[in-house]
Amino acid sequence: SAVISQKPSRDICQRGTSLTIQCQVDSQVTMMFWYRQQPGQSLTLIATANQGSEATYESGFVIDKFPISRPNLTFSTLTVSNMSPEDSSIYLCSVDGVSGPYEQYFGPGTRLTVT
Amino acid sequence: RKEVEQDPGPFNVPEGATVAFNCTYSNSASQSFFWYRQDCRKEPKLLMSVYSSGNEDGRFTAQLNRASQYISLLIRDSKLSDSATYLCVVTNTGGFKTIFGAGTRLFVKA
Repeated sequence: SAVISQKPSRDICQRGTSLTIQCQVDSQVTMMFWYRQQPGQSLTLIATANQGSEATYESGFVIDKFPISRPNLTFSTLTVSNMSPEDSSIYLCSVDGVSGPYEQYFGPGTRLTVT
Repeated sequence: RKEVEQDPGPFNVPEGATVAFNCTYSNSASQSFFWYRQDCRKEPKLLMSVYSSGNEDGRFTAQLNRASQYISLLIRDSKLSDSATYLCVVTNTGGFKTIFGAGTRLFVKA
């Protein structure tokens, strides 16, 4: 498995502001992912963070709203821009390929509340 | 139709009971299948991969039926600590897309 940390663990933000979430892995990984989990819901993939190239976004998510950086094989950031209360959610990063293929390991999540 | 569908919950069972969760997926090209467990206010954690031949890990048994596009998880001798949400996860290798089911909540009571 992999040890994954996220910062911040939680935050309360005002609408219209932006928050950058950091994800750090203790080993080099090819694939890193960002998910959103809204209250009482399952996980929705936001994007795949690719090292050395643009992130790949899922339908319904755009780079202007959720810019992602992946400067190296152990680190990624997700920014939630121009926040509204609808962005209140848990944001999780994950990695795969550490053990078996497609087996994902998740960070502890960032709990975001937008007021 | 959702790409991954799970039994609606919650399941309320006594300690020691056997409980089975079912999951169906719509994409016949799906190639990898998993069960994750998510405790309240925690991140999902991989419970087990699911293979065509079926696999067992202690009290947990996972089965895959590709013809019916169906996955199951059986928990024997339920413990209080098994209380959690169980997520069925399917990966489609075309474009590498992982899809999580909505989850089934399990409550094991003394």
